[in-house]
Amino acid sequence: DAGITQSPRHKVTETGTPVTLRCHQTENHRYMYWYRQDPGHGLRLIHYSYGVKDTDKGEVSDGYSVSRSKTEDFLLTLESATSSQTSVYFCAIGRLAGGPDANTGELFFGEGSRLTVL
Amino acid sequence: AQSVTQLGSHVSVSEGALVLLRCNYSSSVPPYLFWYVQYPNQGLQLLLKYTSAATLVKGINGFEAEFKKSETSFHLTKPSAHMSDAAEYFCAVSLRSNDYKLSFGAGTTVTVRA
Repeated sequence: DAGITQSPRHKVTETGTPVTLRCHQTENHRYMYWYRQDPGHGLRLIHYSYGVKDTDKGEVSDGYSVSRSKTEDFLLTLESATSSQTSVYFCAIGRLAGGPDANTGELFFGEGSRLTVL
Repeated sequence: AQSVTQLGSHVSVSEGALVLLRCNYSSSVPPYLFWYVQYPNQGLQLLLKYTSAATLVKGINGFEAEFKKSETSFHLTKPSAHMSDAAEYFCAVSLRSNDYKLSFGAGTTVTVRA
């Protein structure tokens, strides 16, 4: 358990409204990621962060912004939601594996936030 | 850029039968490869990973995968399916051991028949 909490877990909103999804972690990891999951596409990276105020775009960043003012929180904002942003959003943290693979990294995922834009 | 292709979006197996999920990758440098499992309404859980140590990798729940460079493949197998294996499985690739940015395949949904 990597101590990742996503909120809200479910949200229904209307086209054109702003939406913010929150990812909170309790283990002080530097690396955090937002992915979206859609049928037939797997998971696609939206934005990621390597530390406080250090963020960058992923492959599907249009229409999304992020902020990381504290190590433990990574916020994903849809400034003006569209129906194409209806999806399940997953936050993940990256951390080094233990044991024999101590130098390799792994992603640990939150439970997801299901967003429906009407 | 690296990418993965999962062959077959749905696989149906009988309980006790072999589970085989196919994953092929493309990468300009030696990759690091992962299999994740997602149970309904849950996040993704790491099954196993290849990090260039052993080509045959054993994971949790009796799954294993073999890295074959000549075939650019990383297929996932389990000798005997259990009802609890019904889930969606994702293959993923990254270029560096500490680069947590993963590129995922489209996923394969496994159904287990009694």
